Amino acid sequence: GAVVSQHPSWVICKSGTSVKIECRSLDFQATTMFWYRQFPKQSLMLMATSNEGSKATYEQGVEKDKFLINHASLTLSTLTVTSAHPEDSSFYICSARGDREYNEQFFGPGTRLTVL
Amino acid sequence: GQNIDQPTEMTATEGAIVQINCTYQTSGFNGLFWYQQHAGEAPTFLSYNVLDGLEEKGRFSSFLSRSKGYSYLLLKELQMKDSASYLCAVMDSNYQLIWGAGTKLIIKP
Repeated sequence: GAVVSQHPSWVICKSGTSVKIECRSLDFQATTMFWYRQFPKQSLMLMATSNEGSKATYEQGVEKDKFLINHASLTLSTLTVTSAHPEDSSFYICSARGDREYNEQFFGPGTRLTVL
Repeated sequence: GQNIDQPTEMTATEGAIVQINCTYQTSGFNGLFWYQQHAGEAPTFLSYNVLDGLEEKGRFSSFLSRSKGYSYLLLKELQMKDSASYLCAVMDSNYQLIWGAGTKLIIKP
């Protein structure tokens, strides 16, 4: 199957700082990338959907000025958590979808963010 | 509204068979996915159903009935490594995935 990487795998930062998470599709062109957040023992929560070259579409309740998404190319999307606070601590997972037979989403390994 | 329902937790014995059910109500339907997620890891794809019937892939099978809004994932010859959460997700008319809360499967020796 297709491979999606995420960097970093985990990050610890101080409250008030900004953190950037990269999501890359390594062997296919991702027309759409998705950003999810998952709190412990809960299901995936879609934060936003981004298409290459256009603005991301955010889900209700997700602050677009706090969670900046850039989908600069068909293989790279970034999520920047600005002015992070302890309540932003979570597992952030990206997925990518290309022009495949049934629109399968391929997930990155996730980034665990801890804000002190 | 849209919702996906699946049991919160199930327990089964190593070597046995377990069936995880999923019912859904969504605006449109473009297929149903099952993913496996081990603790602290991202989900991995297991199966996709868009037509009614059973899809078999090794020890895992997935069934779909669109008229009933129902699917199940069948796991045979359970192994300890199958202990994980199993997520049911439906792709709606906008090609967005609607996720269930996941079923935590506990395998006992």
